[in-house]
Amino acid sequence: AQKITQTQPGMFVQEKEAVTLDCTYDTSDQSYGLFWYKQPSSGEMIFLIYQGSYDEQNATEGRYSLNFQKARKSANLVISASQLGDSAMYFCAMREFLRGGSEKLVFGKGTKLTVNP
Amino acid sequence: DVKVTQSSRYLVKRTGEKVFLECVQDMDHENMFWYRQDPGLGLRLIYFSYDVKMKEKGDIPEGYSVSREKKERFSLILESASTNQTSMYLCASDSRQGNEKLFFGSGTQLSVL
Repeated sequence: AQKITQTQPGMFVQEKEAVTLDCTYDTSDQSYGLFWYKQPSSGEMIFLIYQGSYDEQNATEGRYSLNFQKARKSANLVISASQLGDSAMYFCAMREFLRGGSEKLVFGKGTKLTVNP
Repeated sequence: DVKVTQSSRYLVKRTGEKVFLECVQDMDHENMFWYRQDPGLGLRLIYFSYDVKMKEKGDIPEGYSVSREKKERFSLILESASTNQTSMYLCASDSRQGNEKLFFGSGTQLSVL
């Protein structure tokens, strides 16, 4: 079963507007972490924001905020005041803590964001 | 700055060849991961390792094996490469802390002909 679901293969937004990228996750654990990464056409993976399952406040990093709704198991990324340089693939990911102290990070299929001038 | 280095940016191999993809990190990270990235499928976890000589299967381990003889090095092995293993392979590492982000290598684009 898919652990991370990103239902929007592609999204378009006008420059300077806000956009929300959806992410839902599936876990029965109480302790987990949620991440968003950006991958521009250059291919590098850029960390954007992190939310821990026990964090009571939504994470924010500059123009990025994470709308964390634990009961709904959603962790949507909100980008405010979009810029042309925000055009990229965006991946939602979840860290699961496993027995024995190991952990793994699983990713969604991604959303391609295009910012129009 | 943390560095995760993958030995090759582009690699072309023939069907049936044994292929080694090497990954080295310089931050003494416990965890290392191998993903493959395909259009429309996102990043899929192949194998991961949380300590030297320790390895765990990810979501798509079939056709792959790994080796971690030293903490800084995590190798992905394709025992007998097949055309459906043509993909972008990404290595990543992190320390064993909950909010620590993954550090990624620049990827290896493997083509199996």
